[in-house]
Amino acid sequence: ETGVTQTPRHLVMGMTNKKSLKCEQHLGHNAMYWYKQSAKKPLELMFVYSLEERVENNSVPSRFSPECPNSSHLFLHLHTLQPEDSALYLCASSPEQRDRNTEAFFGQGTRLTVV
Amino acid sequence: GENVEQHPSTLSVQEGDSAVIKCTYSDSASNYFPWYKQELGKRPQLIIDIRSNVGEKKDQRIAVTLNKTAKHFSLHITETQPEDSAVYFCAASIVGNQFYFGTGTSLTVIP
Repeated sequence: ETGVTQTPRHLVMGMTNKKSLKCEQHLGHNAMYWYKQSAKKPLELMFVYSLEERVENNSVPSRFSPECPNSSHLFLHLHTLQPEDSALYLCASSPEQRDRNTEAFFGQGTRLTVV
Repeated sequence: GENVEQHPSTLSVQEGDSAVIKCTYSDSASNYFPWYKQELGKRPQLIIDIRSNVGEKKDQRIAVTLNKTAKHFSLHITETQPEDSAVYFCAASIVGNQFYFGTGTSLTVIP
């Protein structure tokens, strides 16, 4: 257990549904990330939050909307998704230090299937 | 932005043999290079990392080498065991903790 918890673990949703993924960490980290992992693709960085402020948005479609209400929680709000959005969505956190890079701890992921 | 390439995509070795996975990166500003192991159905976990001021680092059966001039780094696993079977990801990171991952290598160790 790395201390990063994601819920739900599995999610099946229709293209017209609205759902949210949740990530929680109590490691005292102040940077949190959303990654998308598809078959035969690298871990794709979607969003980065540092001290609850979004610092990275890698051209992610607007049907994905992140929210970081505090340094321990990160959400990914989903609406009108497409079947190609089916993937494993991984959350990670790290004790960001500007003067050096540090390890990212991953959650177990949410397996999302869009039907 | 950073571009990380990883080879091979799949690798099969006999138990006891060595396995080598190679990655290249494009941005010379990258200064941190972690390797993650992801077992089937589990989360990626850090197994070893190297910083740009070091050329080689070893931890028991695994080692990582870095060539900053050529912008490539490699993971070496010696005396492979069945439990080493997993997907391995390399990553390059620039100050600010934005990790860019390779495409992954699926390693199978044949007993």
